[in-house]
This record gives sequence, structure tokens and C-alpha cells, in this order.
Amino acid sequence: GNSVTQMEGPVTLSEEAFLTINCTYTATGYPSLFWYVQYPGEGLQLLLKATKADDKGSNKGFEATYRKETTSFHLEKGSVQVSDSAVYFCALYSGGSNYKLTFGKGTLLTVNP
Amino acid sequence: DTGVSQDPRHKITKRGQNVTFRCDPISEHNRLYWYRQTLGQGPEFLTYFQNEAQLEKSRLLSDRFSAERPKGSFSTLEIQRTEQGDSAMYLCASSSTSGREGTQYFGPGTRLTVL
Repeated sequence: GNSVTQMEGPVTLSEEAFLTINCTYTATGYPSLFWYVQYPGEGLQLLLKATKADDKGSNKGFEATYRKETTSFHLEKGSVQVSDSAVYFCALYSGGSNYKLTFGKGTLLTVNP
Repeated sequence: DTGVSQDPRHKITKRGQNVTFRCDPISEHNRLYWYRQTLGQGPEFLTYFQNEAQLEKSRLLSDRFSAERPKGSFSTLEIQRTEQGDSAMYLCASSSTSGREGTQYFGPGTRLTVL
């Protein structure tokens, strides 16, 4: 079945530091890949997505590249801000008769001033 | 686009009581999903509707759980005889069949606490 493994946190960084959160997946076929962000007490917001190999998703300074050869979709940001503090979830969608998103366990990011 | 809305945002109930949550999807979306999220975990799929038809149910959805989507618009999730283990965030999401990539848009969630 489908599965997503992401780097366990918590991750604590200083403002303007470089961020990487690792995500690898197992899926049949050619899944779409997503990063969602969850701020305290809120639902999930779509951060970025990629639908085929070598696609790069980007939004708000965050980037992730769909690497089929390594089955990875690592999230990166060159300079984090305090406002980026949140939980980040990697997810995949394999489509066909499988309509659900499969999520990783989430990575808590705390950015200190 | 008003987004996905859920009501209530918070619910505290006593063990054994019944609770019902409502989800209003993005208006043009015909797919609707329910997920459950416990502390420190990612969301887990519960059930899926396409229009008014419930097409898939997770084994997590015990007999005490029931979901409906009358007329293919809003959806309700009912939990009967709540147990402390039902305490979680219940998330609703919606998507369009026109997009193959499966992007789902989430509501703010309903946080359930069972005392």
C-alpha cells in the first residue's frame, strides 16, 4: 500500500536559517505529491504540490522537487521566518480507485527570532 | 471561493453522548472527504463521497460512526455513544473531479473532546 515517511521533529531553527524537511514515499504508479502546513489550532493549508517526476512545486519561498528515482519530495526554504513556525505534512495521492490522501506523521518546525 | 467550512469548531461532550459535525465544501466540488487527526499524527482517512454517494469507508469508521451527504452538498458525520478514544480533530476536505492530481482543500476542523 501507499506510505509516506517524513523526517521526525521537532526542528528548531533561528530566523534566516536554511530549512530542509525530508520526505520519502512508497506508492504504485505515478502519485501526485503535496506539502500541507498546519498552524496551531487550524486545519491544513496546501503549501505546494507536484504532479509528475522532476516537477518543482513552489510557494511562499518554499520549494520541493518530485524525485522519482529516489522516491523523495523534500521541502526546502532558504531563509525561514518566525511566521513559518507550524507543522508540515508530506502527502501523496495515487488516484485511480484510491481517492484518499496518505499523510506522513508531520514535522513540527519552530523558528526562533 | 469561500473555502471549506466546518461547524462546530470545538465540541466537548461526555462519554456515551452522540455528536454530529457538519461540513460545507467548496461549492463547485463534488468530492468530499472526512479525516481524523490525533495529537502528533497525520490525518487518517475515514470516508469519501462523490456527490451524494459514499464510495469508500475506512476500517477506522466503526459502526458507531455514520456519514451522510444528502443532495451532494453539505455532509454530516455522526458519532454515537462517544468514547474517550474518539477525542481527535475531525477534518473535512473537498476536491473537484476535473483535476487529476487529487488536490484536496481542507476546512478548519472540529476538535472533539470526550470526557
